[in-house]
Amino acid sequence: EVQLVQSEVEVKKPAESLKISCKGSGYSFSSYWIGWVRQLPGKGLEWLGMIYPGDSETRYSPSFQGQVIMSADKAISTAYLQWSSLEASDSAVYYCVRSGPTYYHSVDVWGQGTTVTVSS
Amino acid sequence: DIQMTQSPSTLSASVGDRVTITCRASQSIDTWLAWYQQKPGKAPKILIYKASSLQSGVPSRFSGSGSGTEFTLTISSLQPEDFATYYCQEYKTYSRTFGQGTKVEIK
Repeated sequence: EVQLVQSEVEVKKPAESLKISCKGSGYSFSSYWIGWVRQLPGKGLEWLGMIYPGDSETRYSPSFQGQVIMSADKAISTAYLQWSSLEASDSAVYYCVRSGPTYYHSVDVWGQGTTVTVSS
Repeated sequence: DIQMTQSPSTLSASVGDRVTITCRASQSIDTWLAWYQQKPGKAPKILIYKASSLQSGVPSRFSGSGSGTEFTLTISSLQPEDFATYYCQEYKTYSRTFGQGTKVEIK
């Protein structure tokens, strides 16, 4: 079974750093793009960007370029999303998703989501 | 950036109704469009990809159509488990923009 399992709830203070994880299983992790999606409380879905674990090529949405950093460790089938300095407005649920082996593929698998709360 | 506009934002319907949701793109995305369903507190799941291809395991009452800039998701006979929020998403560009969502409520 193809699965993406994410790290659990994170509670942080403003200006702190954070790195959340997404571990893939049941498929060739290196060969499929991994994307990240944000959902603010009570709001819709926003695409942050995606990474190809095979060579760590990244494609950020223009709206999120410079706001987050995506990385991946193909040896342990894990992708990461990180912030260097959190703000309260980063409080949201973050989903990692599997896209296809090439560019023109929709998302077919979703992680369970990581809830990030940033509060002083 | 491509803008994706869904209509309506909210839809009230009864079990057994035929339901249609529209998604419009601000420029042509060919057929690079997917539809997702999200229930409260859960991750979304894919229903339709490439505008009209039904994802494996998704009931046949769901169907998608369209190309270019106008797309529709149709539920032929609404079931109790279909009350949820539906999102379209383009995947022609790196922005992978989502529509704002359509909430299907019980009438």
